[in-house]
Amino acid sequence: KQEVTQIPAALSVPEGENLVLNCSFTDSAIYNLQWFRQDPGKGLTSLLLIQSSQREQTSGRLNASLDKSSGRSTLYIAASQPGDSATYLCAVGGANSKLTFGKGITLSVRP
Amino acid sequence: EADIYQTPRYLVIGTGKKITLECSQTMGHDKMYWYQQDPGMELHLIHYSYGVNSTEKGDLSSESTVSRIRTEHFPLTLESARPSHTSQYLCASSDSMAPEKLFFGSGTQLSVL
Repeated sequence: KQEVTQIPAALSVPEGENLVLNCSFTDSAIYNLQWFRQDPGKGLTSLLLIQSSQREQTSGRLNASLDKSSGRSTLYIAASQPGDSATYLCAVGGANSKLTFGKGITLSVRP
Repeated sequence: EADIYQTPRYLVIGTGKKITLECSQTMGHDKMYWYQQDPGMELHLIHYSYGVNSTEKGDLSSESTVSRIRTEHFPLTLESARPSHTSQYLCASSDSMAPEKLFFGSGTQLSVL
């Protein structure tokens, strides 16, 4: 059974700092990996999707990498802003498009 | 912006009541999903549908039921709500051409007293 771990559960950084959010998974037989953003009381928004054959994806100040063999992914956020404050969830895609989610990392960017 | 809507946003009801959480999408997606999320915990898939008249149970056992009579509509029903059903329920949809690209609704926060 796939398990997805995100540590730490919460992170607080000053504005402008570059930061890395980590995600690990136990079964390397994945189809894809996604990073989502969730704001309080709202649904999830997909940030980046990496297919199993890819190593990384970039969108603006965000860069996500995938290392299937080691069961790890990282989300890099450059020049963090207060508006980046949210919970970031990692989800691993398996057969039949089913996703296994981590518990998320709650990020707070201090002005 | 995703066109997937959930109502109500918040619901507080007493034990034993029957409730239906609504989910509709206007994107013509054939796949739809219901996830359950408790504070600080993972999302767990409780139901999914790959098309009209197709429904399956997810990885997390749930006493709720779903129906898919129309492509755009995927309601979730609890026949007799209990305090253990208190949680956030998130609906999502995706297209067969890009099944991994999920669009989520804003969720329904259910509190059963």
